[in-house]
Amino acid sequence: AQTIHQWPVAEIKAVGSPLSLGCTIKGKSSPNLYWYWQATGGTLQQLFYSITVGQVESVVQLNLSASRPKDDQFILSTEKLLLSHSGFYLCAWSLRGSNERLFFGHGTKLSVL
Amino acid sequence: GDQVEQSPSALSLHEGTGSALRCNFTTTMRAVQWFRKNSRGSLINLFYLASGTKENGRLKSAFDSKERYSTLHIRDAQLEDSGTYFCAAEDSGTYQRFGTGTKLQVVP
Repeated sequence: AQTIHQWPVAEIKAVGSPLSLGCTIKGKSSPNLYWYWQATGGTLQQLFYSITVGQVESVVQLNLSASRPKDDQFILSTEKLLLSHSGFYLCAWSLRGSNERLFFGHGTKLSVL
Repeated sequence: GDQVEQSPSALSLHEGTGSALRCNFTTTMRAVQWFRKNSRGSLINLFYLASGTKENGRLKSAFDSKERYSTLHIRDAQLEDSGTYFCAAEDSGTYQRFGTGTKLQVVP
């Protein structure tokens, strides 16, 4: 069975500090991977997606970056957090191809102070 | 366990027919959204409901917080309706919990 693990569960960080969020998918080779973000009270926005190792497409510019160093790992990071980065971050995977279902991690709640 | 159970996981419809997708919730939710995923993974908002029903064209959605479910009805399905549909529910917090989606295929 496939599992998706997202870490950390929650973070409280200072403005200007670095951030790294991780996502690991087990039991599925070569999945499509996605990062989503939801501001408090807002709707979900897609940030990045990746169809293969080393290849990441940016969808929304939020002064964040993403990397896929391994087939089963997706990292979201920034060197300098802004207050506007606060919110809820979700990682998801899907099978290759169009119109596939998305399987979400449990998310990371980030508070930037 | 998961708070949002979406069904069916896959659905095939002939053009002109209709069906319903359903999300059941294991806890009381205060609002629900329905999305459709495009080919790049972006989630396009279809409906947001805090209660009752809403209709837009051939789509209609209902949400019953007390009975813990929401539905998305599609009538007179067209080929371009094919895609993956998700529900997402807000619990007492401010973030959404997603169903795993329904892959809809409309065939001639």
